[in-house]
Amino acid sequence: DTAVSQTPKYLVTQMGNDKSIKCEQNLGHDTMYWYKQDSKKFLKIMFSYNNKELIINETVPNRFSPKSPDKAHLNLHINSLELGDSAVYFCASSQPGTSGGPRTDTQYFGPGTRLTVL
Amino acid sequence: AQTVTQSQPEMSVQEAETVTLSCTYDTSESNYYLFWYKQPPSRQMILVIRQEAYKQQNATENRFSVNFQKAAKSFSLKISDSQLGDTAMYFCAFQLRIKAAGNKLTFGGGTRVLVKP
Repeated sequence: DTAVSQTPKYLVTQMGNDKSIKCEQNLGHDTMYWYKQDSKKFLKIMFSYNNKELIINETVPNRFSPKSPDKAHLNLHINSLELGDSAVYFCASSQPGTSGGPRTDTQYFGPGTRLTVL
Repeated sequence: AQTVTQSQPEMSVQEAETVTLSCTYDTSESNYYLFWYKQPPSRQMILVIRQEAYKQQNATENRFSVNFQKAAKSFSLKISDSQLGDTAMYFCAFQLRIKAAGNKLTFGGGTRVLVKP
């Protein structure tokens, strides 16, 4: 009954490789996000999608390409990995709304994927 | 652009005591949310509490409560009756409340809380 799941949880790879991280949510949310947490624990938005449409692309290198096959999935593909890409990547989802209900717009996070580039 | 500042990198508290974490933010908008998230050593990001800016009443969730001062742009978190399981990194976060989807969270730098037995 996991709400937001990510695979893999750990990813160790060599510089120059291409890798993907998958995210799935079973909350029925329309919006999904990718955040990056660096070695100093700072969290920053990378992308957001609403119903498979890209909404936010926050000055991320072109080597990062999100893909949303349907509104329950948002994958992150990274080409030509660099040492500086080492971080924890979090997927999140939310249900946008103007009703002001207690859970609209609140983002729920996956467990994170720790990427280590050697 | 919005910014969020947490001025306390680390805090420690004895079990069963109370600790207050500070957060200030900067925005020119009037309609937004504020959140506190907890990140224990397991790395999971867990929602602790949420505050809508249009609500004057401070949010509470069991042992967690906030002091929201909109004019001062301050949003502190109080943890009462601290428990060992409260040991974690705590992040304050800001989010605009707009009709468009994809509203990003802007995070502070975090405060590491250690609860001592």
